[in-house]
Amino acid sequence: QVQLVESGGGVVQPGRSLRLSCAASGFTFSSYGMHWVRQAPGKGLEWVAVISYDGSNEYYRDSVKGRFTISRDNSKNTVHLQMNSLRGDDTAVYYCAKGATILAMTNWGQGTLVTVSS
Amino acid sequence: DIVLTQTPLSSPVTLGQPASISCRSSQSLGHSDGNTYLSWLQQRPGQPPRLLIYKISNRFSGVPDRFSGSGAGTEFTLKISRVEAEDVGIYYCMQATHFPLTFGGGTKVEIK
Repeated sequence: QVQLVESGGGVVQPGRSLRLSCAASGFTFSSYGMHWVRQAPGKGLEWVAVISYDGSNEYYRDSVKGRFTISRDNSKNTVHLQMNSLRGDDTAVYYCAKGATILAMTNWGQGTLVTVSS
Repeated sequence: DIVLTQTPLSSPVTLGQPASISCRSSQSLGHSDGNTYLSWLQQRPGQPPRLLIYKISNRFSGVPDRFSGSGAGTEFTLKISRVEAEDVGIYYCMQATHFPLTFGGGTKVEIK
């Protein structure tokens, strides 16, 4: 079955960096786009970024453009989110989600919490 | 950005009774490829989201048939025919027709 396991969250000071990872299994990873979605404490869902199945295309929400970079390693079935210049409003649980040709997020990980605080 | 407005914010429902959630989009969600990429997700307390419905009305694998989706253009609806205790949670609509992908604000379904 599909499994997505995020890691790399933690407490970080404003302006610093953090790299999240998502290890995938149970499906042909190299055939699917992958998303990062975040959820601030007590708030709704917010899409962050997506990378195409082969890594050739990436899209970001405006508030993270130039600060966050999504990447993937199809040899290791892993997708990453490099987060630089972190701000307080980046505090959230970050989920990775499997994309699909139906353009829906079909499977989600349990999430990893990122807290940006001095 | 496309704004998805969900109503109601909260829906107290008696077990076994129906529930309905509306999602209104600020722009048409019809894609140039002929599809409408509107999906519905459920988030139970303390859990990650789970896909229920994709492309307006298609139930995802393993989703009970008491869940159904309908709509077109800018108006969409999720219906639960008979609410069960396990349906408690927050429901989100999501559009993937236009970048950036956006979610509705969520509707909380709770038992009366």
